[in-house]
Amino acid sequence: DAMVIQNPRYQVTQFGKPVTLSCSQTLNHNVMYWYQQKSSQAPKLLFHYYDKDFNNEADTPDNFQSRRPNTSFCFLDIRSPGLGDAAMYLCATSRDWTGEETQYFGPGTRLLVL
Amino acid sequence: ILNVEQSPQSLHVQEGDSTNFTCSFPSSNFYALHWYRWETAKSPEALFVMTLNGDEKKKGRISATLNTKEGYSYLYIKGSQPEDSATYLCAFRTNAGKSTFGDGTTLTVKP
Repeated sequence: DAMVIQNPRYQVTQFGKPVTLSCSQTLNHNVMYWYQQKSSQAPKLLFHYYDKDFNNEADTPDNFQSRRPNTSFCFLDIRSPGLGDAAMYLCATSRDWTGEETQYFGPGTRLLVL
Repeated sequence: ILNVEQSPQSLHVQEGDSTNFTCSFPSSNFYALHWYRWETAKSPEALFVMTLNGDEKKKGRISATLNTKEGYSYLYIKGSQPEDSATYLCAFRTNAGKSTFGDGTTLTVKP
């Protein structure tokens, strides 16, 4: 059974049109993460939530926002997508924030910006 | 900026070959090194979490070693099978919990 679910798997949006990607988890984990991966590059952490506490990476563009209305769901909002935002977006969870905690990933949403 | 490097970038082997690849990471502020396998159209799947210098972990035909003093980890696959074809990612984690990933090694095993 899927533990971290991302919808949709593929998302097409227009340049400048707001888009929301969603992630849900059945693990009841405290931490949820959003990563951006551009082709053949390392996944790059955008932000994470520890419970309701939001932690933004210093180099995450202001264009990217996130919401976590409850333990199970987390959303990535891209306010005005540019062509450079086309990428795979991965959601992950972990029980805690410590370094040895395993992260559990969803299958990703591939975003295409036209 | 933490630099985590994986080599080679891609690898093509024949079924039955054994293979290995490398993850290099900073030797300071080390807390854990994670290995993931990412098959096409699936979720990245955790393989190993390694925390101690000299750690060796094994899962079936896949094993990994860790050298925190010199800052590298090796992943070995014995007798590669087509189902081993995937991208293998390593992630360096500090005690602050943040993961820095390498670009991955993409393995293709030909029948």
